[in-house]
Amino acid sequence: AQSVTQLGSHVSVSEGALVLLRCNYSSSVPPYLFWYVQYPNQGLQLLLKYTTGATLVKGINGFEAEFKKSETSFHLTKPSAHMSDAAEYFCAVSGPNAGKSTFGDGTTLTVKP
Amino acid sequence: NAGVTQTPKFRVLKTGQSMTLLCAQDMNHEYMYWYRQDPGMGLRLIHYSVGEGTTAKGEVPDGYNVSRLKKQNFLLGLESAAPSQTSVYFCASSSRGTGSYEQYFGPGTRLTVT
Repeated sequence: AQSVTQLGSHVSVSEGALVLLRCNYSSSVPPYLFWYVQYPNQGLQLLLKYTTGATLVKGINGFEAEFKKSETSFHLTKPSAHMSDAAEYFCAVSGPNAGKSTFGDGTTLTVKP
Repeated sequence: NAGVTQTPKFRVLKTGQSMTLLCAQDMNHEYMYWYRQDPGMGLRLIHYSVGEGTTAKGEVPDGYNVSRLKKQNFLLGLESAAPSQTSVYFCASSSRGTGSYEQYFGPGTRLTVT
């Protein structure tokens, strides 16, 4: 069984500030981890993913995430927020070669000018 | 490539009416999924399919039926709509080839049942 917990349903940062969105997971098998972004009135799109290998993964738009097995975490960061980063972000987990993912409840990121 | 497309984009139904939502993908993906998204509840899997002619129940299948007669299409049916089915519905697809099954989403269908 797998589950995902996203800490904080709403996060607000100032433009230029660090973005940190938290994700913890539980999985009985080695996890594959994903971050997706959803802009208003659109579907989700993949930001980045971790499968195996390097635990620090880089994605689109300057985002990155680090897989920490000991902490069962996969937090999403960006050094400097931009207004265009305002969106809802979803963390998801699946097992290797598993066709289904379990999604977190989402975190809405607001960027203040 | 158009990716994943959904028809219609918006729909208003009266309680008890039926409708079918169409999802199409042009990426030759094996897996397809239907989710519903409600405020504060993330994405909940309704039904999914691992290939043409096969379907399986997800987390919240009651009140919905699906069919996958062609690999590129996945249909979601509501036989007798209820106000509790007011939601935004997303279709997604993924490929077995990458092994990680990252999903590609359509733009969504906003359904209101009155």
